Amino acid sequence: DAMVIQNPRYQVTQFGKPVTLSCSQTLNHNVMYWYQQKSSQAPKLLFHYYDKDFNNEADTPDNFQSRRPNTSFCFLDIRSPGLGDAAMYLCATSTRVGEQFFGPGTRLTVL
Amino acid sequence: GESVGLHLPTLSVQEGDNSIINCAYSNSASDYFIWYKQESGKGPQFIIDIRSNMDKRQGQRVTVLLNKTVKHLSLQIAATQPGDSAVYFCAERGNAGNMLTFGGGTRLMVKP
Repeated sequence: DAMVIQNPRYQVTQFGKPVTLSCSQTLNHNVMYWYQQKSSQAPKLLFHYYDKDFNNEADTPDNFQSRRPNTSFCFLDIRSPGLGDAAMYLCATSTRVGEQFFGPGTRLTVL
Repeated sequence: GESVGLHLPTLSVQEGDNSIINCAYSNSASDYFIWYKQESGKGPQFIIDIRSNMDKRQGQRVTVLLNKTVKHLSLQIAATQPGDSAVYFCAERGNAGNMLTFGGGTRLMVKP
């Protein structure tokens, strides 16, 4: 089945230790998104790619970076995680105008 | 817009009853709206969508109503089942590409 896959599902890191979350898709969508979702809150868009064009939301901290080496894969790098970065991180994909399909998310814990 | 609260509004219904979840959106230029269902520990799952040139759309057991005059969106679930228990988010697409702005979310609890 075509889908959006996120690995790992659960990630534990230490304060200040870089961490990378990954997302892959078999939908061949040209747009990929990364969202941060904290407990009892709506998903908050961090950035997105139209093909290889990177678009950063204005309030996304510099601590968050992303890479998209090809159509299928997208990575979220957190350079120096703080306690406030503990959250669920959601990857989504879409065509240029269609609905967004979400992955299952990676829950990040920062110790 | 985004929720900034720590507590989601909760709707509690009896199994078999109909549920109505409401959402107020902010951008009068939004042209597309989606309802997502999010179960605990999972990503949001698409339920139903509606374009701004419509005021009602029906799916299987779900209906979305759009009132552009008051910028209001609702999701009706018929014969609510325990498997419907989840958090429901509305999302709107404005005039900035395919970006979605999520509403604050409502927790639906279904009592057997």
